[in-house]
Amino acid sequence: GQQVMQIPQYQHVQEGEDFTTYCNSSTTLSNIQWYKQRPGGHPVFLIQLVKSGEVKKQKRLTFQFGEAKKNSSLHITATQTTDVGTYFCARTALIFGKGTTLSVSS
Amino acid sequence: SQTIHQWPATLVQPVGSPLSLECTVEGTSNPNLYWYRQAAGRGLQLLFYSVGIGQISSEVPQNLSASRPQDRQFILSSKKLLLSDSGFYLCASRGAGTTNEKLFFGSGTQLSVL
Repeated sequence: GQQVMQIPQYQHVQEGEDFTTYCNSSTTLSNIQWYKQRPGGHPVFLIQLVKSGEVKKQKRLTFQFGEAKKNSSLHITATQTTDVGTYFCARTALIFGKGTTLSVSS
Repeated sequence: SQTIHQWPATLVQPVGSPLSLECTVEGTSNPNLYWYRQAAGRGLQLLFYSVGIGQISSEVPQNLSASRPQDRQFILSSKKLLLSDSGFYLCASRGAGTTNEKLFFGSGTQLSVL
């Protein structure tokens, strides 16, 4: 249906390693939003992608929207301990992915 | 930008007791309002959303109800709590209009039903 699937569910990396989480949909997305939730905190909006093939960067974070607008990814270069948290994609306010929880060891 | 006030931050309630969680919004008018529940280590489950005063849509049949008595006030209630109602409850707001508006979340209420 309209669900979005996120993989992996959990990821542990050493500080300095890269990290990628993927968000997939069986149907075309009009847009995709990404949120980050720190442990014990609430989700905070990171970015929205709207155009096919769109790529946006925020410092070490790179967000991509697939050409077919059915998938998206978030890539973090050289992770830091401040990147710890759960990353959610959302196709609308009604439909969130289950999130990818990132842990980073120094 | 919008500010979401949500209280209390933590709550411990016995099974069978009533519940009332309140959320108020600043910085916008006529927002779309949402209640989510998040089980430990899990994703966000949408419980209710509202596009205006007195308008409530329920996404999941459950032991909870919601009300919107004022434009920027959203209340989550239960007459009798169940153990399964435990979780992290989040209120969120989004500007009325297109679905491209981002969500602003409150700081959440950690509810433990014992």
